[in-house]
Order: sequence, then structure tokens, then C-alpha cells
Amino acid sequence: QQQVKQSPQSLIVQKGGISIINCAYENTAFDYFPWYQQFPGKGPALLIAIRPDVSEKKEGRFTISFNKSAKQFSLHIMDSQPGDSATYFCAASGRGAGGGSNYKLTFGKGTLLTVNP
Amino acid sequence: DAGITQSPRHKVTETGTPVTLRCHQTENHRYMYWYRQDPGHGLRLIHYSYGVKDTDKGEVSDGYSVSRSKTEDFLLTLESATSSQTSVYFCAIRKGGLKTGGSGANVLTFGAGSRLTVL
Repeated sequence: QQQVKQSPQSLIVQKGGISIINCAYENTAFDYFPWYQQFPGKGPALLIAIRPDVSEKKEGRFTISFNKSAKQFSLHIMDSQPGDSATYFCAASGRGAGGGSNYKLTFGKGTLLTVNP
Repeated sequence: DAGITQSPRHKVTETGTPVTLRCHQTENHRYMYWYRQDPGHGLRLIHYSYGVKDTDKGEVSDGYSVSRSKTEDFLLTLESATSSQTSVYFCAIRKGGLKTGGSGANVLTFGAGSRLTVL
């Protein structure tokens, strides 16, 4: 059972274009939604994260859009650069049975982004 | 990588042999995790630890065991390696909390990975 569905699997964008990666979730207990960026041969690194009390969060060229009613969130990379070429993972975590965090991140399957010069 | 060291970084072994991967942290974080990464599957949680001798299973725990006898070390053991366990294994520590994203924010920092090939 895949709790976080990510699309597309791969994406090719021209330099200067907008990259958009989408994720959907089913578990309404999720309340923290990060995006991770991974370069070849490296571990994933936190890029940006959002909580469901806001609909958008922007950090530089990276923006998360969040739609709570649709249970979807997306990553937008504006003015995409060749250096942005990497694998991107969305993830989610939420409350455990006792109401506190369950301290586990569930990841999507990843999107390989290639930005052509 | 932010005080996390994984060893070995690369290992080739044969089916049926035991394998232990080590994750060492220098920052005294309570929560540690083992994930595996496979093409088409993303990152999947194997086991995690919430303190010394306190561990729990993730979504793909079959065939794996873990131990945490010291805060700084989290070991992942494959008792009898199989070809399906060929993968890249990542250790992570949790840096969540009020200062780094709010209560309940699971900010994970990953190690550089251990590539395991089981022939």
C-alpha cells in the first residue's frame, strides 16, 4: 500500500523553464510534508517543507503548493538550472495513535529531473 | 555528512552470508533510521530506533535485524543475505523539534549510503 504517490517518474525541462512534481496522499493524519533532493552518489537532503496550515511556501526558486482538500502537494522549481538536475522525493509524516508524531517519514518513489542547458 | 558515518560504503557478498552495516553519529540524536533505496521503489523504511535498545520495524523489515547498544551507533544486520537485498542502504538521524520545523517535524539528515551487492 503506497501511502504517498509521486509523479512523474522522470521529467526533462529546458534551462529557465518551470519544473513541476506532484504528490498525493491518503492518510489524513499526515501533517508534515517535506521535499528531499538527491544528487548521484549522495544521500537525500531536505530541500523545503510545509505544514497543512498554509497553502504555499516559497524558498528562493523552490515553492511547495499544498491542497489539503485534494490531499495533494507539489514542488515547483522556477527558472530551472542544470544544477537542479537530481532526484526529488516527496515525503509525509503525521501523528501516531497517541496524538504525538510517529517520527517516521514515508517517501514517494522519486522523480528524476533533468534540466537541459 | 552532518556527523553521520556509514560503513562500509561498498560491499559485495555472497548469498547466505551475514552482513552488518554500521551507522555512527556524533551529535547524540535520539532517533536513527535505516532506509533502503531501489529503482522504482524510492526510499523504504527498514527499521528505526528511538533510543538505546529501543527499536521498531518499518515497512520492509523482513530479513533484517537492528541493534542499538550505544546512542551513537545503529547497526543493521542481514543474517543471511539474499539477492533481493542488493540495494543502497541509507542511515538517517532525526533533527526535528521546535527549532527545526516545529514540534513533530521529522527533519531527517541522511548519511552517504552503503551500496550492498549480494551475488
